Amino acid sequence: EAQVTQNPRYLITVTGKKLTVTCSQNMNHEYMSWYRQDPGLGLRQIYYSMNVEATDKGDVPEGYKVSRKEKRNFPLILESPSPNQTSLYFCASSPRQGYYEQYFGPGTRLTVT
Amino acid sequence: GENVEQHPSTLSVQEGDSAVIKCTYSDSASNYFPWYKQELGKGPQLIIDIRSNVGEKKDQRIAVTLNKTAKHFSLHITETQPEDSAVYFCQEAGNQFYFGTGTSLTVIP
Repeated sequence: EAQVTQNPRYLITVTGKKLTVTCSQNMNHEYMSWYRQDPGLGLRQIYYSMNVEATDKGDVPEGYKVSRKEKRNFPLILESPSPNQTSLYFCASSPRQGYYEQYFGPGTRLTVT
Repeated sequence: GENVEQHPSTLSVQEGDSAVIKCTYSDSASNYFPWYKQELGKGPQLIIDIRSNVGEKKDQRIAVTLNKTAKHFSLHITETQPEDSAVYFCQEAGNQFYFGTGTSLTVIP
């Protein structure tokens, strides 16, 4: 089954404790992206990757890191999480950038206390 | 995203009525305009999309119209049903993806 998977689905952590949210897709997509969703603000792009070893900042990259060492995986790293990073996070993939449907993972709800 | 305005933010309709959601964008280079539906506890899913060389597209009860001159596009849902209740997002896609802020649609039985 074609899908995007994210882990964990739920995470409660404390300020400053490094964490990684994994994302994997099995559709051989070139383009992958991370979004955060907050009430009233919709979906805002954090980082995106057009292919392996090619990543770039989205609208809200501060406090986040990503890597794309393999085509299927695109982990999101919070080196020192803060309470304002409490949010719902979605990973998405697409065949290429721009003119194609995006496939979203099920989401990761992160709470930073 | 900041490039896409979406209205209304909330919409309640009676079952069987029509619902219309509108989006305005600013990037002339955008050529792809999908609509996503997000049900509670799930990620957004594509329900219909339109490319810039087409003015209207229909799929059963759902239709999308695009006016490139005015830079706006709309989602039309006819004969609404309770299962249409969800949050809907428009998106413009070109060099980047930009989402609207979402419309929470409630269909009242």
